[in-house]
Amino acid sequence: EAEVAQSPRYKITEKSQAVAFWCDPISGHATLYWYRQILGQGPELLVQFQDESVVDDSQLPKDRFSAERLKGVDSTLKIQPAELGDSAMYLCASSHAGVQETQYFGPGTRLLVL
Amino acid sequence: GENVEQHPSTLSVQEGDSAVIKCTYSDSASNYFPWYKQELGKRPQLIIDIRSNVGEKKDQRIAVTLNKTAKHFSLHITETQPEDSAVYFCAANTGFQKLVFGTGTRLLVSP
Repeated sequence: EAEVAQSPRYKITEKSQAVAFWCDPISGHATLYWYRQILGQGPELLVQFQDESVVDDSQLPKDRFSAERLKGVDSTLKIQPAELGDSAMYLCASSHAGVQETQYFGPGTRLLVL
Repeated sequence: GENVEQHPSTLSVQEGDSAVIKCTYSDSASNYFPWYKQELGKRPQLIIDIRSNVGEKKDQRIAVTLNKTAKHFSLHITETQPEDSAVYFCAANTGFQKLVFGTGTRLLVSP
C-alpha cells in the first residue's frame, strides 16, 4: 500500500538555524498539505498545494517559513531562522483531489529547537 | 473562521464498554467530517468519515452521527478493545476548503 514519505523523522537544531523538511506524497495525489501539530493538540494547516500552486497559506508564518512544490510532486518546507516555539511535529498529507477526499498522512518530522 | 470543539479530552473505559466522543463546529458551510486515530508516535489514520447528505454511517464497531442543525457530530465505538487506545481527532472542512481539527480525545481502554 502506497504511503506518504517524509524525512527526516527527527531533527534537533539550535535557534536561528535553518531547517528543511521533505515530503513525497502518494503517487497521483494532486493535493498536498503541510500541518504543524503541537503536543496535545490537533494538526493545524500551514500550507495547501494543488499541484504546484499554493491554495492556502494563510496560517504560514511567511517571515520565516517557506514551502514549495516545484514540479507538483514532492514538497519542501523550510524554516529560517528557527525559533524555540517552532518545536513541534510537522506532518505532511496528500489527497487525490481536494479536501473532501481522504487525506493520508506521513509519519511526520519531529522538530526540537534548542 | 471555523472552530471545532471536541469533548472529552480524555476518556477511560473498560474493555467491552462503549465510547462516545463529541465534536461541534461553527461553519454552516462545512459538509465533510472525518475522524482520525493517532497511536503514540504514529501518523494519524482515517477511521471513518461522513458527508452532510447522510445522518449516520457505520463500519463494524465504529459509527459516526451528524446533526447539521445543531452543528455537531459524534464518534461511537462499541465493544471497545485495548487496541482502540489512542488519540482520536475529529475534523470539519471549512467554506474555504481546508480541514480544521479538534483538540483530540485520549481514549484509554483498560482490560
